[in-house]
Amino acid sequence: QKEVEQDPGPLSVPEGAIVSLNCTYSNSAFQYFMWYRQYSRKGPELLMYTYSSGNKEDGRFTAQVDKSSKYISLFIRDSQPSDSATYLCAMSVRISGGYNKLIFGAGTRLAVHP
Amino acid sequence: KAGVTQTPRYLIKTRGQQVTLSCSPISGHRSVSWYQQTPGQGLQFLFEYFSETQRNKGNFPGRFSGRQFSNSRSEMNVSTLELGDSALYLCASSHASGRGTDTQYFGPGTRLTVL
Repeated sequence: QKEVEQDPGPLSVPEGAIVSLNCTYSNSAFQYFMWYRQYSRKGPELLMYTYSSGNKEDGRFTAQVDKSSKYISLFIRDSQPSDSATYLCAMSVRISGGYNKLIFGAGTRLAVHP
Repeated sequence: KAGVTQTPRYLIKTRGQQVTLSCSPISGHRSVSWYQQTPGQGLQFLFEYFSETQRNKGNFPGRFSGRQFSNSRSEMNVSTLELGDSALYLCASSHASGRGTDTQYFGPGTRLTVL
């Protein structure tokens, strides 16, 4: 079983829809939770990060963490065609040596059609 | 502030050859991590360098190696290329301060095709 599970999709939605992207994890030691967006033929770019259970909002994006269920979500409101990309969740855990190791999910491919 | 840069952006090699990829991190970042991304396996961690020392390594064969220079720039080398090495190779840099998220910032990647 992978430490981080993410449905690869693809997910296809109409413009204006609310999108929900999800990841589950098994390691309770994960401390920080991130979402990256990757456009085709580009490197991933950091979208949001959070470290506590609850919601964090940034414009049309809301990151949600439920540590008791080991579940994180990214919600996109009023989705736009420009949101079409692959979304990767990532989780950080402190390992021996005092630094952080980042574990990525497989990524969910999202297509928003006009 | 300039982002992470990687060179070259595209490479075509044949089996058995070797290749060297280069990464320049964001100014002030001391950690450089390398990842291999393929459609089937997703983003897989290769190794991380911090202050010229490899401090973390993924599950890749010894054909994959790297190094970091005193200016934090890093190179990755793959020897005896195999068809399965065709992938997007991503470099990411971070402060690696040991506090907070140590958020990683990615470069655009080098797309390697092995024929």
